[in-house]
Formats: sequence, C-alpha cells, structure tokens
Amino acid sequence: QIVLTQSPAIMSASLGERVTMTCTASSSVSSSYLHWYQQKPGSSPKLWIYSTSNLASGVPARFSGSGSGTSYSLTISSMEAEDAATYYCHQYHRSPPIFTFGSGTKLEIK
Amino acid sequence: EVQLVESGGGLVKPGGSLKLSCAASGFTFSDYYMYWVRQTPEKRLEWVATISDGGSYTYYPDSVKGRFTISRDNAKNNLYLQMSSLKSEDTAMYYCARGGSLPAWFAYWGQGTLVTVSA
Repeated sequence: QIVLTQSPAIMSASLGERVTMTCTASSSVSSSYLHWYQQKPGSSPKLWIYSTSNLASGVPARFSGSGSGTSYSLTISSMEAEDAATYYCHQYHRSPPIFTFGSGTKLEIK
Repeated sequence: EVQLVESGGGLVKPGGSLKLSCAASGFTFSDYYMYWVRQTPEKRLEWVATISDGGSYTYYPDSVKGRFTISRDNAKNNLYLQMSSLKSEDTAMYYCARGGSLPAWFAYWGQGTLVTVSA
C-alpha cells in the first residue's frame, strides 16, 4: 500500500506570500490519480485539485498543482486569508482499487 | 446543485451494529460510483468503501472488510453503509462522497454523520 507523506505538517504564511506544500509517495503514483482536498474547521473536505494540476470548479487561479512519480506539490502564488485551511493529498491505485490520503498540511496566516 | 445528506450516526457499544444512509440529489445518481470516507478524531482521512454505479462491484480496505457492507438503491437515490462488529477505532465522522468523471477522486462530499463506538 502506498503511503503519502505531506510536509510540512503545519505552516504559516503572510498575506501575499507564495506558499508551497509537498506530498511524497512511497512508490510511484500516476499523475492522473493524485489529488488535493481543502478542509476548513467544521466543514467537510472539498475537492481542490484533481489529476495533479486540474483546478476543481470555483478554485481560484492562484492555486496550482504539479508533480510526477513520487513527488507532488500544491502552490499558492499569493496567500489570501481565505486560503487558511488544511490541505490533504490523495491517491488512487487502480488494481486493487484502493484510496489513500496524506496526513494533511495545516496552513495558517502569519 | 449536488447534495449528499448523511444520517444514522450515533453512539454504539463495541461489537454493536449501525446503518448509515446518504440521500443524494442534484445529479443522476445511477451514473456515478459512490464512496464512504471517514475522518478520525485525529483528523486522519480514511477510505471506507466503494460501490460501482450499478451496484455490482464493491471494494473495502482490510480494516473494515468483512464487517462493513456498502449498498445503494438507484431507484431511491440512496447510499447505505451497514456496519457491524464495531470497534473503538471505528469512531469517526463518516462522509458519503460522489465520484468524479473518473472513479478516482471524491468530487463531492456530504456534511458527515458522527459515529462513536464506546462502552
């Protein structure tokens, strides 16, 4: 089973700052099957980026995703207050069909 | 608008059973794979079960295999999770989720229903 390790676990950023968080897989993951979710306190997770780099509906263009193989990242070009949240990476393995999540990166405002 | 509304959570003793339901609306339910995902008190997300669009195929992680059963009623737009032999480590918020254009991500999530397993 593939293990996803997210780093850092907690980070803080100033408004306007560029933010990057990473997701490292224990084995190679298809870029089609690596996704990111945003979760704010008291709310359910929301699909944020799917298949490495595709923004879900309504996600601001300041967000981007990239990566391949075992290394993936989520970047915010200019931090805004509404971006404070926990971000989880997620991968799908086709055979057998198994889903795993990273432990999350909590992004706070500095 | 896609809506997923879970119900059926509550407090149950170890070894007990519980059945969760998810009412879906705003999309053609029978066109999509559906899932249950849980979030532990430590905020860890765990996939719990998958069911294919027609209901013929189901998949589970080893942690719940043999104890949990996912099912669906496409005529009623409802998803279910029958949980038995519950353990304290099953305590979590349980979310119903809909698949995306590929059955490889969770495009929409419900608001969750809390299951607490405790004596």
